[in-house]
Amino acid sequence: GNSVTQMEGPVTLSEEAFLTINCTYTATGYPSLFWYVQYPGEGLQLLLKATKADDKGSNKGFEATYRKETTSFHLEKGSVQVSDSAVYFCALRLRSNDYKLSFGAGTTVTVRA
Amino acid sequence: DTAVSQTPKYLVTQMGNDKSIKCEQNLGHDTMYWYKQDSKKFLKIMFSYNNKELIINETVPNRFSPKSPDKAHLNLHINSLELGDSAVYFCASSQVDRYVGYTFGSGTRLTVV
Repeated sequence: GNSVTQMEGPVTLSEEAFLTINCTYTATGYPSLFWYVQYPGEGLQLLLKATKADDKGSNKGFEATYRKETTSFHLEKGSVQVSDSAVYFCALRLRSNDYKLSFGAGTTVTVRA
Repeated sequence: DTAVSQTPKYLVTQMGNDKSIKCEQNLGHDTMYWYKQDSKKFLKIMFSYNNKELIINETVPNRFSPKSPDKAHLNLHINSLELGDSAVYFCASSQVDRYVGYTFGSGTRLTVV
């Protein structure tokens, strides 16, 4: 079936550290891939997306590249801030799956000053 | 201004009661969704409506019944509430297009006591 696996958290970092959250997917077909962020007490916000192989999504200093050969969409940020503390979700969406957005389990990131 | 709005934001109720959560979107999207987020932040889709027609109906107890009076509204009614129904429920909307992400509401935290 179609699924997303992302690295387990929690992840705790110091400010200005480099952040990587691994995400791999299994899909029958060519999904669109997304990263969503959920700040404490809020709903989910789209952080970035990529719709085909080798596309790079970027937003707010975060980047992720759609790697078809490794079925991956790892999220990276070069220098995190305290305000980046949140839960990050990798997700895929596939036409053959009724366009349903399927999420990974989420990774909690805490950035300390 | 709010794109996807849910009410109420918090709901505390006793076991056995019946309650409803309302959702409205002003984005002109043709598809709306209900997701359940458990205490470990895991997100699971429950229902989806496209132009008032049910298109996704995951394995959800019959006590949960969605209703879509028009494509801008999707309400969730829950009968005979149980302790295990305690969670955060998110409404979302999108266009049926695999390249597009969803827009989420801010969530309804349901606590059954």
